[in-house]
Amino acid sequence: AQKVTQAQTEISVVEKEDVTLDCVYETRDTTYYLFWYKQPPSGELVFLIRRNSFDEQNEISGRYSWNFQKSTSSFNFTITASQVVDSAVYFCALRSGNTDKLIFGTGTRLQVFP
Amino acid sequence: DTGVSQNPRHKITKRGQNVTFRCDPISEHNRLYWYRQTLGQGPEFLTYFQNEAQLEKSRLLSDRFSAERPKGSFSTLEIQRTEQGDSAMYLCASSSLAGSYNEQFFGPGTRLTVL
Repeated sequence: AQKVTQAQTEISVVEKEDVTLDCVYETRDTTYYLFWYKQPPSGELVFLIRRNSFDEQNEISGRYSWNFQKSTSSFNFTITASQVVDSAVYFCALRSGNTDKLIFGTGTRLQVFP
Repeated sequence: DTGVSQNPRHKITKRGQNVTFRCDPISEHNRLYWYRQTLGQGPEFLTYFQNEAQLEKSRLLSDRFSAERPKGSFSTLEIQRTEQGDSAMYLCASSSLAGSYNEQFFGPGTRLTVL
């Protein structure tokens, strides 16, 4: 079975704090793809990053960084020096097997207070 | 390059009525997806197309739901005899087959309220 778990329902931080959003996935496929999306209050899902199962290199993009660890089936997302504009719901998603469908976690609501 | 567009953005209907939503993908994207998102949950897959062909349908897509993509461009999602449980945000996404990631780009969604 394929599954994505985001155990943190809601996180609140004060601006400039660092915050890490956890994502744990389950799949029996050896080839799979992981994604993070941001859903601001406007509702539109915004693509942030992708990773495939053969690329465990961590990635940094500005204040965002991602830590992919196959050994623990985790794909965690860190925001450094958070800003109020980072307030949104963040979703981790998995695509695996012979399908294009994405399996999403339940999301983590991040609130950044000034 | 315009993004995915969806119409209408909001729809309020009475139980038992039929509704139809439209999705226009990013031009030249040959895959198009429909998802449903209820409050506090992540999007759930409904169906997807490659060009005109419907390649996969979720068990969530009951007989009251039908999706089409007649010319391989825009798509419609119709719900017949709506029920209160159909109230949700209906999201459309598109992707290109170029590359292996096929990352999906989402539209703003259509929020359906069934009274």
